[in-house]
Amino acid sequence: RKEVEQDPGPFNVPEGATVAFNCTYSNSASQSFFWYRQDCRKEPKLLMSVYSSGNEDGRFTAQLNRASQYISLLIRDSKLSDSATYLCVVNSLSDYKLSFGAGTTVTVRA
Amino acid sequence: GAGVSQSPRYKVAKRGQDVALRCDPISGHVSLFWYQQALGQGPEFLTYFQNEAQLDKSGLPSDRFFAERPEGSVSTLKIQRTQQEDSAVYLCASSLQYEQYFGPGTRLTVT
Repeated sequence: RKEVEQDPGPFNVPEGATVAFNCTYSNSASQSFFWYRQDCRKEPKLLMSVYSSGNEDGRFTAQLNRASQYISLLIRDSKLSDSATYLCVVNSLSDYKLSFGAGTTVTVRA
Repeated sequence: GAGVSQSPRYKVAKRGQDVALRCDPISGHVSLFWYQQALGQGPEFLTYFQNEAQLDKSGLPSDRFFAERPEGSVSTLKIQRTQQEDSAVYLCASSLQYEQYFGPGTRLTVT
């Protein structure tokens, strides 16, 4: 079983819609959680960290459920430029290694 | 400012050839990581350096893979006797504290 599992999608949504997706992680010792964004044939870039209390960054909201070991990302008022693959990433405080999910593809159409 | 750079960006190798992939991290970044990303998958950890010390090489798939960072800056990932299953994007990342900054990757195709 992979350490981080994601629904690969694709999620095809119209501009202005809200889209949400989750990932699950298997290591209960995981301490740090992130969402990275990866455009086609580009490198991953940090979108946002995910905190226990949940956090928002503009149109993006991330939630963490430690009991069920899942992380969610919600995108409001989606833009064409939000089209990308979103990678769920976890690691533990004592472990510098990032564990990546396979990514969820989001396509926003005009 | 300059980010992480990698070269070459694309490499085609015949099966059995040796390849060397270079990573120039962000200046001053102590930590350097190599990842392998297969098509449709997330990056998988290969190895980690803190300055010139290779602290973890547990992700290297076989002894054909070797990485070095002799002066604590530029790093090279070498793959000997390449096989078709080595075809992937090889990503380098560097960090000062927690956030890892990725380079554009080297796309290796073994024919």
